[in-house]
Amino acid sequence: QKEVEQNSGPLSVPEGAIASLNCTYSDRVSQSFFWYRQYSGKSPELIMSIYSNGDKEDGRFTAQLNKASQYVSLLIRDSQPSDSATYLCAVNIKATDKLIFGTGTRLQVFP
Amino acid sequence: DGGITQSPKYLFRKEGQNVTLSCEQNLNHDAMYWYRQDPGQGLRLIYYSQIVNDFQKGDIAEGYSVSREKKESFPLTVTSAQKNPTAFYLCASNPRGTNQPQHFGDGTRLSIL
Repeated sequence: QKEVEQNSGPLSVPEGAIASLNCTYSDRVSQSFFWYRQYSGKSPELIMSIYSNGDKEDGRFTAQLNKASQYVSLLIRDSQPSDSATYLCAVNIKATDKLIFGTGTRLQVFP
Repeated sequence: DGGITQSPKYLFRKEGQNVTLSCEQNLNHDAMYWYRQDPGQGLRLIYYSQIVNDFQKGDIAEGYSVSREKKESFPLTVTSAQKNPTAFYLCASNPRGTNQPQHFGDGTRLSIL
């Protein structure tokens, strides 16, 4: 089992819809979780950090964390074509004290 | 403006040549990291440094070397021993501790001539 797993996609949603991106992780004691957005050919950009169970909202973005089930998700409301990018999930793996990145989910928002 | 500066943006390496990628930050961050990204792949950790004059190997350190003589700078050398160096190289930094998010430079794209 990979330490951090994401569906590679592409996930295609129409403009204005909610995009739901999921990530599972293997380390039960992980405490820090991050979502990055990466446009093609560019570097990753941090969009959300979450540390506690539950939801955290920032504008059109909501991160959801469920430590018991070992998953973290990102919801993008009112999706825009400019949201089309690869979204990377990153999890702090306590055992190695390293940040492990998933391979990313490619999101396509069509007009 | 505070940030992380990587240079050059594009780099070409000849066979048997060592090349050095620059990474400078003015965020006053203690920790700095180097990652490699291949097409369709996640980020893989090459080396990291939590403090000046100290650094540790990541998951794919073979064929690479680093130094951390100044807090602001963490250059990466891709040696001739790295047989498949073509990739997108990303430098990141954060205040010490992996519970803090890492922030990335714009990256260097390395190709073989």
